[in-house]
Amino acid sequence: NAGVTQTPKFQVLKTGQSMTLQCAQDMNHEYMSWYRQDPGMGLRLIHYSVGAGITDQGEVPNGYNVSRSTTEDFPLRLLSAAPSQTSVYFCASSYSGYRGGNYGYTFGSGTRLTVV
Amino acid sequence: KNEVEQSPQNLTAQEGEFITINCSYSVGISALHWLQQHPGGGIVSLFMLSSGKKKHGRLIATINIQEKHSSLHITASHPRDSAVYICAAFGGATNKLIFGTGTLLAVQP
Repeated sequence: NAGVTQTPKFQVLKTGQSMTLQCAQDMNHEYMSWYRQDPGMGLRLIHYSVGAGITDQGEVPNGYNVSRSTTEDFPLRLLSAAPSQTSVYFCASSYSGYRGGNYGYTFGSGTRLTVV
Repeated sequence: KNEVEQSPQNLTAQEGEFITINCSYSVGISALHWLQQHPGGGIVSLFMLSSGKKKHGRLIATINIQEKHSSLHITASHPRDSAVYICAAFGGATNKLIFGTGTLLAVQP
């Protein structure tokens, strides 16, 4: 099925561990982004990419790395997990421009991460 | 002050009621995005609009660019409409979204 696929859905890490959250889309979207969702704060942008080979920081990039080697994939790496990174993470993708009446903004199903 | 403000934060309605959720923003935008998130669930895009009004089933979204205000209306509300509704300002050039904190809607039978 077309869409944004995020893995894993749940993860528990110990402080200091590293891991990669996977995000893949099959809609040929140019734009991909990672958000974290925390109670009372809304979703906040971590990193984004406007195309393969191009990434940039969002509002809360510290402690996270990204790369975009292909159009389809945009993994998010936690370098050394901290309890403050306990959150729900969403990947999203869209066209870079207006097409067919919208940008095609599509969200993944989320990854619930707990750092202990 | 948040760049995107929603009201109310919490809303309880009886089945069948007409519901309005409001969103005000202070940033320049190219479009306003309404999203729905069910408890423990993913995020679904409902509308993206840059002017006027859009309708999909029982959902209606309006935007007033001059007043920097948008509303999401639900007609004949149903318990399955219970969810968090989120508005987000869409910046256009970089496709970035700036999110409100959401409105938690509970529709009781």
